[in-house]
Amino acid sequence: SSELTQDPAVSVALGQTVRITCQGDSLRSYYASWYQQKPGQAPVLVIYGKNNRPSGIPDRFSGSSSGNTASLTITGAQAEDEADYYCNSRDSSGNHPVFGGGTKLTVL
Amino acid sequence: EVQLEESGGGLVKPGGSLRLSCAASGFTFRSYTMNWVRQAPGKGLEWVSSISSSGTYIYYADSVKGRFTISRDNAKNSLYLQMNSLRAEDTAVYYCARDLRGAVAGRGYWYFDLWGRGTLVTVSS
Repeated sequence: SSELTQDPAVSVALGQTVRITCQGDSLRSYYASWYQQKPGQAPVLVIYGKNNRPSGIPDRFSGSSSGNTASLTITGAQAEDEADYYCNSRDSSGNHPVFGGGTKLTVL
Repeated sequence: EVQLEESGGGLVKPGGSLRLSCAASGFTFRSYTMNWVRQAPGKGLEWVSSISSSGTYIYYADSVKGRFTISRDNAKNSLYLQMNSLRAEDTAVYYCARDLRGAVAGRGYWYFDLWGRGTLVTVSS
């Protein structure tokens, strides 16, 4: 089982705001990063650090953290945002990367 | 263009071996820690192994320790994964990924900013 826990599935109406969460003890010490993966494609980094977006990622994607929970928020979800989203941080020892189980986002 | 390209995947019998390669281009490969991350069919992402820029520091997931060996050739801008004693549960798409890290107010973060398209490894008799 993963040391980072995500809800398996979340849905959002087109144009509305959705929050995808990731829980784990290591998140009290380390920031999470977030990845978007569409079917048949490699993961793409969307958020890293405190709340940083790589070049080319729309500003509707944002990240936040509180206690043992990291969140990815999509403000004004678009049809093209439908994908699997994974959080990533360190394991409890801090030595190894670990991924959450992933959240399948459906845009209605 | 900055990119990673994996190769070497295929069908192998249980107990067999396979060597994956990842060719890097468009950036200074020798400056970065590199990783292998895999994804079993219909499943989530699983970190497999990492190697520091000079090859000094190497780490493995418990699930592959003692069976897989990561290495790199900075002169050839290439990353490798030697996989021995393969099992059905090793069936997955294997991605190579570049690793970056930082810290804000004493709180660290790591992220994989560049991924290859992956290569499929199927372990089956």
